[in-house]
Amino acid sequence: SQQGEEDPQALSIQEGENATMNCSYKTSINNLQWYRQNSGRGLVHLILIRSNEREKHSGRLRVTLDTSKKSSSLLITASRAADTASYFCATDAWSGAGSYQLTFGKGTKLSVIP
Amino acid sequence: EADIYQTPRYLVIGTGKKITLECSQTMGHDKMYWYQQDPGMELHLIHYSYGVNSTEKGDLSSESTVSRIRTEHFPLTLESARPSHTSQYLCASSEAGNGYNEQFFGPGTRLTVL
Repeated sequence: SQQGEEDPQALSIQEGENATMNCSYKTSINNLQWYRQNSGRGLVHLILIRSNEREKHSGRLRVTLDTSKKSSSLLITASRAADTASYFCATDAWSGAGSYQLTFGKGTKLSVIP
Repeated sequence: EADIYQTPRYLVIGTGKKITLECSQTMGHDKMYWYQQDPGMELHLIHYSYGVNSTEKGDLSSESTVSRIRTEHFPLTLESARPSHTSQYLCASSEAGNGYNEQFFGPGTRLTVL
């Protein structure tokens, strides 16, 4: 079953505006990660937040985690055209098969208009 | 430079052909993964490995097979390609035992089966 679900599916904003993407999940997690994927390319790791953390910053990125609501948000401030990409949340959780496994959501497609 | 490589980047072949998608990483990671991703869609884990001589099937049933004879090399083979195999294939690796499971991705192979 799908662990992470991003919302919205697509987002279009003007350059300079902030972009917020949300992720909901179903089971207990070890950590939650956000990745970016430019069209036709592999994924690039952006930021990781552990289950005992509530907020984390990295440059123009701010991630929050609410384990009681099983949700996370990714905020990109002062967006640029180069931020145009798909953004995926991924939850690291016990798979039940003897290991932790990373499960990806369906992604949010962000378009930043110059 | 530590990185993860995939070849070929693009492959167009006819039905019934045997193909091998190559993946190599120079980061010394024990864990490696293969994902299948249709355009604009989520990633599906099809195979993973914890180290040399370890291979496991992922969540998505796949007719492909993998091998892990060397730490740095994790090739994926399709014995008889079909149009339903048309997709993007992403290889990834991660460090074992650090508790984070952050994954590093290759650029992907876009496979088209005619």
